[in-house]
Order: sequence, then structure tokens, then C-alpha cells
Amino acid sequence: KQEVTQIPAALSVPEGENLVLNCSFTDSAIYNLQWFRQDPGKGLTSLLLIQSSQREQTSGRLNASLDKSSGRSTLYIAASQPGDSATYLCAVSGLSRGGSNYKLTFGKGTLLTVNP
Amino acid sequence: GAGVSQSPRYKVAKRGQDVALRCDPISGHVSLFWYQQALGQGPEFLTYFQNEAQLDKSGLPSDRFFAERPEGSVSTLKIQRTQQEDSAVYLCASSLAHHPVGQPQHFGDGTRLSIL
Repeated sequence: KQEVTQIPAALSVPEGENLVLNCSFTDSAIYNLQWFRQDPGKGLTSLLLIQSSQREQTSGRLNASLDKSSGRSTLYIAASQPGDSATYLCAVSGLSRGGSNYKLTFGKGTLLTVNP
Repeated sequence: GAGVSQSPRYKVAKRGQDVALRCDPISGHVSLFWYQQALGQGPEFLTYFQNEAQLDKSGLPSDRFFAERPEGSVSTLKIQRTQQEDSAVYLCASSLAHHPVGQPQHFGDGTRLSIL
């Protein structure tokens, strides 16, 4: 059974700092990996999606990397801002019997606080 | 609409009551998913629809949970004889493709269900 772990559980940084969030997964047979952002009381916003054949994806100040063989992904946030404060969730869609590659398995998330 | 819409946003029910949660996916999205998110946890997969067909209901916790999408658009998640452990946020997501490999899932803001 796929398990996704996110470290750290919480992170507090001053505004302007660059930071890295970590995600690891136990089964490397994945189709893709997504990073989401969740604000309090809200749903999930997809930030980046990395296909299993890709090594990284970039969007603005965000860069996500994927090392499938080691079961790891990182989300790099450059020049953090108070508006980046949220919970960041990592999710993988895996290969399984029957090909249910749509099924996302989530980590518990990292609660990020960026202080002005 | 522009995004996935869920109603109600909040639902309080007494133990033993039945509840129905509604999801309006993004227009034209073929795939629809329901997830359950307990406090402090990542979302967990409940069920998946492709148009009106429920292709996977392996994540439904018990036979008290029932989901339908009769016309391939709006979906309803019904929970019968609610119990306190059903208290959670129920998230709906939709995706454009038939097999959403490589397609991000777009989430609604969820319904927060509290069972007293």
C-alpha cells in the first residue's frame, strides 16, 4: 500500500526566505505527483503536476522536483511571502492492479507560516 | 461555473440522521472524485465516476455511504445513519479526461460535516 510522508509537519520562516518542503513515497511505481495548496476552510489548489517521466516542473516562484527511483519530491519556494502561508500537500497517483491510476494518495501536509 | 461547487458548505446533523452532500463539477469534466479529509490529515479517496458510471467505490468506509451521478454531471454523496466518526470535510474534485493521468484534479471547497 502506497504511503506518503511529508516533512516537516510545520514550518515557520521570515518573509523573503527560500524554503524547501519534502515529500517521500514508499512505492516508486507512480504515474504522477502533484503538489497542492490548501488554505484554511478551503479546498485544494493544484500547484504543480510532475509526470513520472519528468524530473521537475516550475511555475513562478515554485519549483518541484521528482526522483522517482528514491521515492522523493521537493517543493522549492523562492522569496517566500506572507501570502504563501497555507498547508502544502503532496499526492501521488500510482500504478495498481486494474490500472486505477486516477487514485491520489496524499500526505498529511506541511503547514507553512511566512512571517512579515 | 468557473470551479467545482459544493453544497452545503457546513452541515450539522444528529447521530443517526441521513445527510446528502452535493457536488457540481466543472462543466465538461468527465471524471469526478469524492474524498474524505479528517482533521489534520490528507484527503482519502472515497469513490470515482467517469460520466455517470461509478468505476471505483473501494474507498467508501461502509455500506452507509452511497454516491451517485445519474446524468454524468452533478453528484451526490449520501451517508445514512450517520455516526460521529463520519465527521470530516468531504471534498469533491473533477478532471477533464476520461483517464486523468497527467490531468490535474480540481477541488471544491468541501462540505464540513459535523455529527453530534
